[in-house]
Amino acid sequence: GQNIDQPTEMTATEGAIVQINCTYQTSGFNGLFWYQQHAGEAPTFLSYNVLDGLEEKGRFSSFLSRSKGYSYLLLKELQMKDSASYLCAAALRGYQKVTFGTGTKLQVIP
Amino acid sequence: DTEVTQTPKHLVMGMTNKKSLKCEQHMGHRAMYWYKQKAKKPPELMFVYSYEKLSINESVPSRFSPECPNSSLLNLHLHALQPEDSALYLCASSPLELTERGGGEKLFFGSGTQLSVL
Repeated sequence: GQNIDQPTEMTATEGAIVQINCTYQTSGFNGLFWYQQHAGEAPTFLSYNVLDGLEEKGRFSSFLSRSKGYSYLLLKELQMKDSASYLCAAALRGYQKVTFGTGTKLQVIP
Repeated sequence: DTEVTQTPKHLVMGMTNKKSLKCEQHMGHRAMYWYKQKAKKPPELMFVYSYEKLSINESVPSRFSPECPNSSLLNLHLHALQPEDSALYLCASSPLELTERGGGEKLFFGSGTQLSVL
């Protein structure tokens, strides 16, 4: 089976940095995705990690530790428009199967 | 064209109705997916088509019937649904490119069909 956990909700201040954690237990793990989903909209791709380490892309960075079954998404210089749900998702080796974590609703406040 | 197009955007149906959801992509992607998303929950995988063949069915009730007429189109036929089936139905596609870094499962989502079953 698979288990992918995230904190349910987080609140952070505009201009600050926030880290959203994701822990997973899956068999046949191939890589870890992060998606952003605004209310009433479809998820959009943010990042992908297959190797251990940090991937940086503008204000967003994502980290993966395969040995620990752990990832995080780091958002810098928070903006009000970053208020959204953030979903981590695990891809399984050999399958076209992407399973989503529980999701974290981030609220950015002034 | 980097879009996945879903129709209709909203659908209201009775429990005895038959309806279909449609999804289309022209990115040359070889995998297409149906996800179901309830409010405040993450998307749940329903079906995966890979190279136009059904590769994954996540034990979905038979009142949901997927169809992949060709590599660009994906349908979801609905019949005798229950009120608890009301949800956002998301279609997605992925390239399935085989690279050392993987990532061929990167999903491109349509905007979804908001389904209400009365």
